[in-house]
Amino acid sequence: ETGVTQTPRHLVMGMTNKKSLKCEQHLGHNAMYWYKQSAKKPLELMFVYSLEERVENNSVPSRFSPECPNSSHLFLHLHTLQPEDSALYLCASSQAGSSSYNEQFFGPGTRLTVL
Amino acid sequence: KQEVTQIPAALSVPEGENLVLNCSFTDSAIYNLQWFRQDPGKGLTSLLLIQSSQREQTSGRLNASLDKSSGRSTLYIAASQPGDSATYLCAVRSSNTGKLIFGQGTTLQVKP
Repeated sequence: ETGVTQTPRHLVMGMTNKKSLKCEQHLGHNAMYWYKQSAKKPLELMFVYSLEERVENNSVPSRFSPECPNSSHLFLHLHTLQPEDSALYLCASSQAGSSSYNEQFFGPGTRLTVL
Repeated sequence: KQEVTQIPAALSVPEGENLVLNCSFTDSAIYNLQWFRQDPGKGLTSLLLIQSSQREQTSGRLNASLDKSSGRSTLYIAASQPGDSATYLCAVRSSNTGKLIFGQGTTLQVKP
């Protein structure tokens, strides 16, 4: 595997289900990101992890719970979601450092549908 | 608050045409600007990254320009091909927050 991978690629879940999205980066990076892309809206940054510490949470509802067990893996745990949470969820990684503005590399995304 | 706007929202051209996609941003305090390509239902592929001190970047048939003072960037695609059909996203990185702020994209269709 190379780059940034995400599983599953597609997920359909009911509002009462609990599921998790997984992201893995094979680039040796130490910062990882979750973005949400809804139809007709720009990408929205949800969470940022740098050196396995959560450094940003952009007012995301608590029904989304991120986890970063190590610098290569990032999870997004989902529970009691709403239909409006249906979207493409994109993971990205970058190298954090003295310049925190390094280029981000994106995974293919997980297409989530909440019924 | 930084806002990024891309015009047009959609564009359809015949194969072989040269075309320009536009991106504007409201706050000139940016670290860099990046153009991405996104195929339907897929992730983002970085095309070009322009640092704030640069005026343009080129890769193959693609040329991106940046005018930071006026808050504008253009992506020029030469001799368009059907394989160029995709959504093109512009994103600026704020030099204040480090956040990557995206536009809504321009969906391009190149007809054979």
